[in-house]
Amino acid sequence: DADVTQTPRNRITKTGKRIMLECSQTKGHDRMYWYRQDPGLGLRLIYYSFDVKDINKGEISDGYSVSRQAQAKFSLSLESAIPNQTALYFCATSDFLGQGAQYFGPGTRLTVL
Amino acid sequence: DAKTTQPNSMESNEEEPVHLPCNHSTISGTDYIHWYRQLPSQGPEYVIHGLTSNVNNRMASLAIAEDRKSSTLILHRATLRDAAVYYCILRDVRGNAGNMLTFGGGTRLMVKP
Repeated sequence: DADVTQTPRNRITKTGKRIMLECSQTKGHDRMYWYRQDPGLGLRLIYYSFDVKDINKGEISDGYSVSRQAQAKFSLSLESAIPNQTALYFCATSDFLGQGAQYFGPGTRLTVL
Repeated sequence: DAKTTQPNSMESNEEEPVHLPCNHSTISGTDYIHWYRQLPSQGPEYVIHGLTSNVNNRMASLAIAEDRKSSTLILHRATLRDAAVYYCILRDVRGNAGNMLTFGGGTRLMVKP
């Protein structure tokens, strides 16, 4: 079984709809992240969480919100989706070591029409 | 933040070694050098990281220049499965910044049979 799972894997929605992307991990890591990737580009950080009570904005947080429901779960919400939020979204986890690896989920492909 | 520069693309023949370069002339003393790769339709995958000394693991080797202004990821024997985008990333382990991964464009490695 995958250590980091994301649901749904694909989603098509319409402008103005509220969307939630979910991430779960079984690695026991405290730290979780949401990134987005646009075609041909690298990943950009949206939000990150060091534990259940510690949530921080990343590089491109406007238009997004997050919820850390438990150590193992971190959700990303688009309150009112717009077409330029069409992208590939990745969740990642890491342990507390500053130089440790991040482990990524398989991604959610979101299309906003 | 210190930046990295990588070639947009490289080609290799299967079963030959591959040297992927990365320039990071503004690297600071607290920056670790990380490499990730992203296979088609997958999330990024950790490859290797180092600070000053060369590093080896089961996936690759990392050669770091003595002045740390450049590094090279070495795949000792490329396989078709190694075709991916390879990202060279600097991580400053001081404070919260140590958990960020800032992805650039990376190098697209193509492996020919």
